[in-house]
Amino acid sequence: GNSVTQMEGPVTLSEEAFLTINCTYTATGYPSLFWYVQYPGEGLQLLLKATKADDKGSNKGFEATYRKETTSFHLEKGSVQVSDSAVYFCALRALGGGADGLTFGKGTHLIIQP
Amino acid sequence: DAGITQSPRHKVTETGTPVTLRCHQTENHRYMYWYRQDPGHGLRLIHYSYGVKDTDKGEVSDGYSVSRSKTEDFLLTLESATSSQTSVYFCAISEGRENTFGSGTRLTVV
Repeated sequence: GNSVTQMEGPVTLSEEAFLTINCTYTATGYPSLFWYVQYPGEGLQLLLKATKADDKGSNKGFEATYRKETTSFHLEKGSVQVSDSAVYFCALRALGGGADGLTFGKGTHLIIQP
Repeated sequence: DAGITQSPRHKVTETGTPVTLRCHQTENHRYMYWYRQDPGHGLRLIHYSYGVKDTDKGEVSDGYSVSRSKTEDFLLTLESATSSQTSVYFCAISEGRENTFGSGTRLTVV
């Protein structure tokens, strides 16, 4: 079956540090890949996505590249801010999944200290 | 804005009682989903719907049932709530390949 593995954290960084959150996946075929962000007390918001190999998704300074050869979709940001503190979820949707929902990783809690 | 409204936002109920959570959407999306979120598990799919009266089970469907009698409403029912069903429940719709989520319902079973 499909699965997503991501570092669970918490990950604690200082403001302006470089961020990497690792995400690897197992799926049949070529899934679509997503990063969602959840701020305290809120629902999930789509942060970025990639639908085919070598695609790079980007938004709000965050980037992730769909690497088929390593089945990875690592999230990166060059300079984090306190406002980036949140829980980040990597997710996939299998190609041809029809109505099927997303498969999520367990989430990474990111804490940015001033 | 996908126009997803979940109700109630918070609920405390007793073990053994039935509970129904409601998800309402305003944009005529065909696909709707119920997930639960628990620490250490991320989000897991409970049930989903691909049209009126068309539903199917997800990864963690035991103890839950759903109904969709209208396109805009997707109901999740816990027939007899247990403490293991204490969780945050999210409804979602499908827009393209991704899901768009509601704000969630925090359910506590005591």
